[in-house]
Amino acid sequence: AQKVTQAQTEISVVEKEDVTLDCVYETRDTTYYLFWYKQPPSGELVFLIRRNSFDEQNEISGRYSWNFQKSTSSFNFTITASQVVDSAVYFCALTESLAGANSKLTFGKGITLSVRP
Amino acid sequence: DTEVTQTPKHLVMGMTNKKSLKCEQHMGHRAMYWYKQKAKKPPELMFVYSYEKLSINESVPSRFSPECPNSSLLNLHLHALQPEDSALYLCASSQGSSGVETQYFGPGTRLLVL
Repeated sequence: AQKVTQAQTEISVVEKEDVTLDCVYETRDTTYYLFWYKQPPSGELVFLIRRNSFDEQNEISGRYSWNFQKSTSSFNFTITASQVVDSAVYFCALTESLAGANSKLTFGKGITLSVRP
Repeated sequence: DTEVTQTPKHLVMGMTNKKSLKCEQHMGHRAMYWYKQKAKKPPELMFVYSYEKLSINESVPSRFSPECPNSSLLNLHLHALQPEDSALYLCASSQGSSGVETQYFGPGTRLLVL
């Protein structure tokens, strides 16, 4: 069975600090997909990134960057120069690719990030 | 356009009421999902529709009844709910349901059962 662990539950930083959100996953499959979603207080889950198990390149998108390391089964997310608008719950999720079947997203418990002005 | 819309945004209902939640997407996606999310918890999958057919039911009580009238619409009919059913109900869609595709979520319906 697959599992996603987000050991940090709540993080509080001051604006402009860098912050890293950790995600560790477990799966027995060689083909799988990892995701990060952001959930602001309004409730909508906003898709941030998808990464497949064969692509270990790190990715940068503006102030956001992701570090995928298969050796440690981790897919960590860093926000550089955090802003108040980054305050939200962040979920890491995992899904397997099942040909001809329905796959499910397995979510971590989420990390509540508070950015103070 | 990656928009999934849900109505209503908020709903208060009594335990004897019948109500429906609606979800719509115009991205041409063929898989649609209902999730339930309690406060400070991750979303929990309830149902998956793939090509307008119910493909996954996560042992959800029969007081929740999903319906997929066409590939763009997904409804969740509610009847005789319990107070513990109060939660945020999220709809999502994806191109397919094999796990490769990204799920895009709507803003949710906040349901309060009195």
